Amino acid sequence: SQTIHQWPATLVQPVGSPLSLECTVEGTSNPNLYWYRQAAGRGLQLLFYSVGIGQISSEVPQNLSASRPQDRQFILSSKKLLLSDSGFYLCAWTLGLAGGNEQFFGPGTRLTVL
Amino acid sequence: GNSVTQMEGPVTLSEEAFLTINCTYTATGYPSLFWYVQYPGEGLQLLLKATKADDKGSNKGFEATYRKETTSFHLEKGSVQVSDSAVYFCALSSTQGAQKLVFGQGTRLTINP
Repeated sequence: SQTIHQWPATLVQPVGSPLSLECTVEGTSNPNLYWYRQAAGRGLQLLFYSVGIGQISSEVPQNLSASRPQDRQFILSSKKLLLSDSGFYLCAWTLGLAGGNEQFFGPGTRLTVL
Repeated sequence: GNSVTQMEGPVTLSEEAFLTINCTYTATGYPSLFWYVQYPGEGLQLLLKATKADDKGSNKGFEATYRKETTSFHLEKGSVQVSDSAVYFCALSSTQGAQKLVFGQGTRLTINP
């Protein structure tokens, strides 16, 4: 069966510091991968998605970036964090139409920028 | 573009009450529709889905029917339990491109014993 991992689970960082969040998927190949952010009390905002290694699409211009160095690894980064980057970050994967089109979510990383 | 609108919360009910959470959508083509549930401090879990008009998704006593004529996908449960307390998200996915999900704003449900 497929599983998705995210780490760290929680993170407290000062403003201006760098960020690296990692997401890995096990038990599948060639998934579409997604990064979402959920601000406190709000819905989900799609940040980035990837349909293959090295292929990244950005949905929202901001100081975050994403990379996909391996088929089942998706990384969210920032060179300098802002207060507004605080939130709950969720990674998700799907096999697309072949897999029923639903996305499966990881446990999330709660980021607090102070 | 595609969009999803959910009834605003929070919603508070007593145990064994009937639940309806309204969801309507705007989309081109024939999207797939989903309900996700988020328990405190956790990621999202797929609750149910429907991929074409008149399909009924069901799971754990929850049901939702894909109504193309009213562009709706309302979530219902006949008798809620305290353990159903969570945030519920309606979402749609285009069947083309990268299958991005578009979410509603979420509805917080609290069930009192």
